[in-house]
Amino acid sequence: SYELTQPLSVSVALGQTARIICGGNNIGRKPVHWYQQKPGLAPVLVIFRDTNRPSGIPERFSGSKSTNTATLTISSAQAGDEADYYCQVWDSTTGVFGGGTKLAVL
Amino acid sequence: EVQVVEAGGGLVQPGGSLRLSCAASGFTFSNYWMSWVRQAPGKGLQWVTNIKQDGSEKYYVDSVRGRFTVSRENAKNSLYLQLESLRAEDTAIYYCARVLYWDDRDYVLDSWGQGTLVTVSS
Repeated sequence: SYELTQPLSVSVALGQTARIICGGNNIGRKPVHWYQQKPGLAPVLVIFRDTNRPSGIPERFSGSKSTNTATLTISSAQAGDEADYYCQVWDSTTGVFGGGTKLAVL
Repeated sequence: EVQVVEAGGGLVQPGGSLRLSCAASGFTFSNYWMSWVRQAPGKGLQWVTNIKQDGSEKYYVDSVRGRFTVSRENAKNSLYLQLESLRAEDTAIYYCARVLYWDDRDYVLDSWGQGTLVTVSS
């Protein structure tokens, strides 16, 4: 079965740029989505199909991809960006989430 | 405003059954695929199932296939998940989500409910 690998945690200084990596075999061939989840709340879509931001998501959030990795970049990180972030793809008709990355803004 | 609201969670004994529901509003429910995703306490997200607009296609994660059944009533703007033969490892918050479908078999979960907690314990 297909697997996505994320670091357990990432730290970033306030106002700096955070990058969260999602690894998967040939992930470059699959559309990648990113979800943000704050404690006690439902997930929120922040990037879809690699690079697209839903309405209401700040431009500070961006996505990119290479052959075997996808990256969520958060520019000028703010305290309110502290959350768990999950990458997600579809392996045929099966949904696959990464294990999630906890972002700490210091 | 797009809204999905889950209900039906609770405490159930191992081997028991439960039916979850999801009420949709703010969009034309019959035009969208829908999905269930779960999250065990303190753990990550796990996709559970997708259902097509007319219910003609349904897909499940291996761990629930044969035990869970997804269905929908478009006339009532409602999505359901029937859980049977429940196990302790099915304990989780169950989220309902609207799906944006793309022609390349890609599904984007763009709007999520707040979830309903299912606890399987004796």
